[in-house]
Amino acid sequence: DAGITQSPRHKVTETGTPVTLRCHQTENHRYMYWYRQDPGHGLRLIHYSYGVKDTDKGEVSDGYSVSRSKTEDFLLTLESATSSQTSVYFCAISESTSGVYNEQFFGPGTRLTVL
Amino acid sequence: KNQVEQSPQSLIILEGKNCTLQCNYTVSPFSNLRWYKQDTGRGPVSLTIMTFSENTKSNGRYTATLDADTKQSSLHITASQLSDSASYICVVSQPPPGGGNKLTFGTGTQLKVEL
Repeated sequence: DAGITQSPRHKVTETGTPVTLRCHQTENHRYMYWYRQDPGHGLRLIHYSYGVKDTDKGEVSDGYSVSRSKTEDFLLTLESATSSQTSVYFCAISESTSGVYNEQFFGPGTRLTVL
Repeated sequence: KNQVEQSPQSLIILEGKNCTLQCNYTVSPFSNLRWYKQDTGRGPVSLTIMTFSENTKSNGRYTATLDADTKQSSLHITASQLSDSASYICVVSQPPPGGGNKLTFGTGTQLKVEL
């Protein structure tokens, strides 16, 4: 998994509680991404980061916030979890976004269940 | 709307047999097309990346083809093995208009290889 870890790997929580997922990389890649994967949908981008303290929204960012205080860590926070946020969350990293062969490497995923 | 459609949705083959997975896309503009393999409970792992000027690329028993004119790609698996059982995801990348490239993911073809 290209030097990417995610924690926790599994979490069950209740509606309305805050949840933070962590992505940690050892590759020193500049770009980091959070995706969610749901049945019947391709992976969808939630937020991404292009440097420390530099983040931007993806296509499904409502209800999520992110922070990146260090190159190696990218946190995804659900301020008040809802059942619609039950999903598998993947972190990805890439060295750059330019060049036709820019590669994204994915972490092992976190399965989140909101009851 | 930018879309990536894959067929079939699922496929069962016998070990040792060949198979071909299809991907049609409407994404424009186009930078590159990727095929990922995702094992159950794991993150996606890249198999091939092709630009519009490449019409075939191989990675061991995996061979991807691309027809940029018809916006179609295929992934051919030769002499299948039990370990090929996974979801295969087609992903189309668009060039970065201001820094970050955008990926559009297909929903995947679930392949099962049986004895």
